[in-house]
Amino acid sequence: QVQLQESGPGLVKASQTLSLTCSVSGASISVGDYYWSWVRQHPGKGLEWIGYIYHSGNTYYNPSLESRVSISIDPYEGQFSLNLRSVTAADTAVYYCARVETAVDFDSWGQGIPVTVSS
Amino acid sequence: SYDLSQPLSVSAALGQTATITCSGTSLGSKLVHWYQQKPGQAPVLVIYKDNIRPSGIPERFSGSNSGNTATLTINRAQMGDEAAYYCQVWDVRSVIFGGGTKLTVL
Repeated sequence: QVQLQESGPGLVKASQTLSLTCSVSGASISVGDYYWSWVRQHPGKGLEWIGYIYHSGNTYYNPSLESRVSISIDPYEGQFSLNLRSVTAADTAVYYCARVETAVDFDSWGQGIPVTVSS
Repeated sequence: SYDLSQPLSVSAALGQTATITCSGTSLGSKLVHWYQQKPGQAPVLVIYKDNIRPSGIPERFSGSNSGNTATLTINRAQMGDEAAYYCQVWDVRSVIFGGGTKLTVL
């Protein structure tokens, strides 16, 4: 059974870069018909898709965040990462990593990591 | 961009049927997936490809999709079903989530 675990700082200063890593166990991220994705949830709000990466390294991002976001993958370590640049208080949210059956559903999620952007 | 609309809240009496809708233009031509999220927890997939239950999801959960509306139905609603429910589709290469519906079991 695949498991995902987010890690990274829970507090980031405004204008800096938010960097998170998702460690995947129980499945290889270098094979299979899966995307590896990031989703966030602002306090008390709904789910917002950030972007995804395929094991080949191909990425696709939410157009509303595309100018500030990058996702990378390290198949050897079984990890994929999120970088969100020039953060503001509006980026304060719980960030989830998830596995996506290609162009279908998000079938496995990490527990989420809360990130606060401070001024 | 493609939009999905969900009611903010829905209520159902204990043991009765809860119905949560998700609306979008020609939604019936897309595959709809549903997630349950309880407070403080990650979302959990409860229905995929309109009407398929993942293993471990009770048979009380079912889905349908036709025209402009997809529906998540929860039969014999229980207190443990109280949660937010989100629909999700793909729009070309983008992921679209509905705004979410809070289910209250009375």
